[in-house]
Amino acid sequence: DTEVTQTPKHLVMGMTNKKSLKCEQHMGHRAMYWYKQKAKKPPELMFVYSYEKLSINESVPSRFSPECPNSSLLNLHLHALQPEDSALYLCASSHPLYGPGNTIYFGEGSWLTVV
Amino acid sequence: DAKTTQPNSMESNEEEPVHLPCNHSTISGTDYIHWYRQLPSQGPEYVIHGLTSNVNNRMASLAIAEDRKSSTLILHRATLRDAAVYYCILRASIIQGAQKLVFGQGTRLTINP
Repeated sequence: DTEVTQTPKHLVMGMTNKKSLKCEQHMGHRAMYWYKQKAKKPPELMFVYSYEKLSINESVPSRFSPECPNSSLLNLHLHALQPEDSALYLCASSHPLYGPGNTIYFGEGSWLTVV
Repeated sequence: DAKTTQPNSMESNEEEPVHLPCNHSTISGTDYIHWYRQLPSQGPEYVIHGLTSNVNNRMASLAIAEDRKSSTLILHRATLRDAAVYYCILRASIIQGAQKLVFGQGTRLTINP
């Protein structure tokens, strides 16, 4: 099973709402990632978790709050977002890596629209 | 972090080989060269990676220049399903076992029937 599952696939939220994006993998991966992708642009790294601990935060605004409750799950909590935060949010995972290149597996993404 | 440069777009015909170039003149000795592709409405998917030697797998081949300042992804016989954005990425760093992949602008590949 080489799959990263993201829910919901589509989300529309108001600027005062609180919502969450969820990501799940059962490949035994201990590194999990959130990327943001605007239309016709490359994915941009937001957060990286390694062994359930936050290891990289790419200076993401605090209205995005990641959480890794266990080794299979990754959440992205959203609060007081702006319309410019509308984008495709991609979750990914990989094995811990201290050697040659390894594969990062991406989900299909959650399309977020902020109104 | 070392950067990559790719053409914005390329076009090819079905069942013909495709050579996708990537320049990475500031690559360091330990940077692995990764290629991912993103099909329409999907997340990126791994294609191939290499360090110094040319690499082959079921999806593609990777040819790496001797000085490692450039590489070429080769699709031997393109199909319509290969139409995607192809990203050449240098694995920037590993932090506590997690990889920091920084995507460049990528090449949008169009395949004509």
